[in-house]
Amino acid sequence: SQTIHQWPATLVQPVGSPLSLECTVEGTSNPNLYWYRQAAGRGLQLLFYSVGIGQISSEVPQNLSASRPQDRQFILSSKKLLLSDSGFYLCAWTAGNTGELFFGEGSRLTVL
Amino acid sequence: SQELEQSPQSLIVQEGKNLTINCTSSKTLYGLYWYKQKYGEGLIFLMMLQKGGEEKSHEKITAKLDEKKQQSSLHITASQPSHAGIYLCGAENTGGFKTIFGAGTRLFVKA
Repeated sequence: SQTIHQWPATLVQPVGSPLSLECTVEGTSNPNLYWYRQAAGRGLQLLFYSVGIGQISSEVPQNLSASRPQDRQFILSSKKLLLSDSGFYLCAWTAGNTGELFFGEGSRLTVL
Repeated sequence: SQELEQSPQSLIVQEGKNLTINCTSSKTLYGLYWYKQKYGEGLIFLMMLQKGGEEKSHEKITAKLDEKKQQSSLHITASQPSHAGIYLCGAENTGGFKTIFGAGTRLFVKA
């Protein structure tokens, strides 16, 4: 069966520090991968999606970046965090261009 | 760009009562998803609707997509504390590959 994991689960970082959130999917190949952010009291905002290794589409201009070094690995990064980067980050995957999304457990980032 | 508006933003109901959550799209819906999120966790898929007038049920939760495919409602019958959480509607954008979400409805069920 397919599983998705993301880590760390909780992160507290000072403003200006770097960030790396990792997501891996098991039990499937060539998934579409997504990073969403959920800010307090707001809905899910799509940040990045990837349909293949090295292919990244950015939805919102910001100081975040994403990379897909391997088929089932998706990484969210920042060189310098801002206060506004605080939120709940969710990684998700789907088997095709449409259909049910499978979400990870989430990573809560607090930038102080 | 397509936007999804959910109402109400939050809802407090007494256990055993029925409730309805609405999701309205600014454009025609080609696929409408309902997810549930427990506080601080990932989202769990509930159901998907594609055809105008389609209605699906899962246990005590029923969702319907209207004929014009621009609004969906989610109805919970005889609510229980286990129904508490955030309900989000999601829609596929016309280009595929991406699912956008509404802001969510926070449901609290009083025992």
